[in-house]
Amino acid sequence: AIQMTQSPSSLSASVGDRVTITCRASQYIRNDLAWYQQKPGKAPKLLIYAASSLQSGVPSRFSGSGSGTDFTLTISSLQPEDFATYYCLQDYNYPSTFGQGTKLEIK
Amino acid sequence: QVQLVQSGAEVKRPGASVKVSCKASGYTFTTYGITWVRQAPGQGLEWVGRITPHSVNTNSAQKLQGRVTLTTDTSTSTAYMELRSLRSDDTAVYYCARSSPLDYWGQGTLVTVSS
Repeated sequence: AIQMTQSPSSLSASVGDRVTITCRASQYIRNDLAWYQQKPGKAPKLLIYAASSLQSGVPSRFSGSGSGTDFTLTISSLQPEDFATYYCLQDYNYPSTFGQGTKLEIK
Repeated sequence: QVQLVQSGAEVKRPGASVKVSCKASGYTFTTYGITWVRQAPGQGLEWVGRITPHSVNTNSAQKLQGRVTLTTDTSTSTAYMELRSLRSDDTAVYYCARSSPLDYWGQGTLVTVSS
């Protein structure tokens, strides 16, 4: 199975900061990567699909980039509601695999 | 609006089986697959498996192969995940989601395995 290595595992930042989270695949996955946000006790929410396509209704401060094996999620200016845990997921081939998650906390 | 409504929480003994349902509405069920994801307490997300709309193709996580069965009933727009030979480390919240990508999610079903 393809391994997804996500970093950092946790991140402390302030409102207004620019934040970048990365995911590296253990092999080529084209652009078959999505990013999800999860808040405690809630189901995950789709932010980005196909590596860089913004899901409808998601604020434009979220962006994704990358292809092949290296991917990034960027939040351009953190808002209070962005403090959550973020996961990447590859579905280039099955079994799909999630990254370990990045917990974004308020500094 | 698209909704996925899952069945309620379950408590099972080790070795038992559980079957979680996921009823879809607000879209044409046969147009999208369903993916199952689980999350153990305090842990990250784990991909469980996926099924295409007419149950033509299924894939599951290697560690669950042989214990998990995914099915759909297109007449009721419902997907099912059955997990057999339950162990304590199967204790988790199980989510269904419309795929791909996973754009709509169910509310989650807590499955507790305990003696």
